[in-house]
Amino acid sequence: NAGVTQTPKFQVLKTGQSMTLQCAQDMNHNSMYWYRQDPGMGLRLIYYSASEGTTDKGEVPNGYNVSRLNKREFSLRLESAAPSQTSVYFCASIADVSSYNEQFFGPGTRLTVL
Amino acid sequence: GNSVTQMEGPVTLSEEAFLTINCTYTATGYPSLFWYVQYPGEGLQLLLKATKADDKGSNKGFEATYRKETTSFHLEKGSVQVSDSAVYFCALSVGGFSNTGKLIFGQGTTLQVKP
Repeated sequence: NAGVTQTPKFQVLKTGQSMTLQCAQDMNHNSMYWYRQDPGMGLRLIYYSASEGTTDKGEVPNGYNVSRLNKREFSLRLESAAPSQTSVYFCASIADVSSYNEQFFGPGTRLTVL
Repeated sequence: GNSVTQMEGPVTLSEEAFLTINCTYTATGYPSLFWYVQYPGEGLQLLLKATKADDKGSNKGFEATYRKETTSFHLEKGSVQVSDSAVYFCALSVGGFSNTGKLIFGQGTTLQVKP
């Protein structure tokens, strides 16, 4: 049981390049989330998927798109990377939002945009 | 709107010292409150939670009590260890019919424990 996995762990991009961050969970969870972590700002929600087939914007969605490919996978795409998107990105999942269970986090992707 | 405010860090303590990390919140409705911990180079892990007023969450010697009257959820530990060095995040989730499980985080407090 691997929990939440993310790839890649590290990435360096040039301004204007595109890339997709991958996230997968093997816990049969319904809801998945993408956060970014910046110094002094905690984690901020980018997008989330309450259930398979649905996605919604979070607090900071500009410059990102997401795809909930199936129940297991939730990817985050940067179409044209900007230096302001330099951050650590975390994917998370939760089994059942109504019971306030633990949200499980992946190990993160550290992205640098030059 | 909903928000979480944590005390500024870093917090530096000697081993076996008493720890308090302050957390206050603003929320509509009746939030659930959480403390997450992030060890160096890792993702976040749930440390403890409380889902209603006056609940006390506890785990690994850490405790926090949900105080609705002061809108606070301060984290405490009686005797810290070097292995407790990490970043601690206070967070809330607002329930109700529109609950989506989204977490709202404080800015994080770095704890460094010296031997």
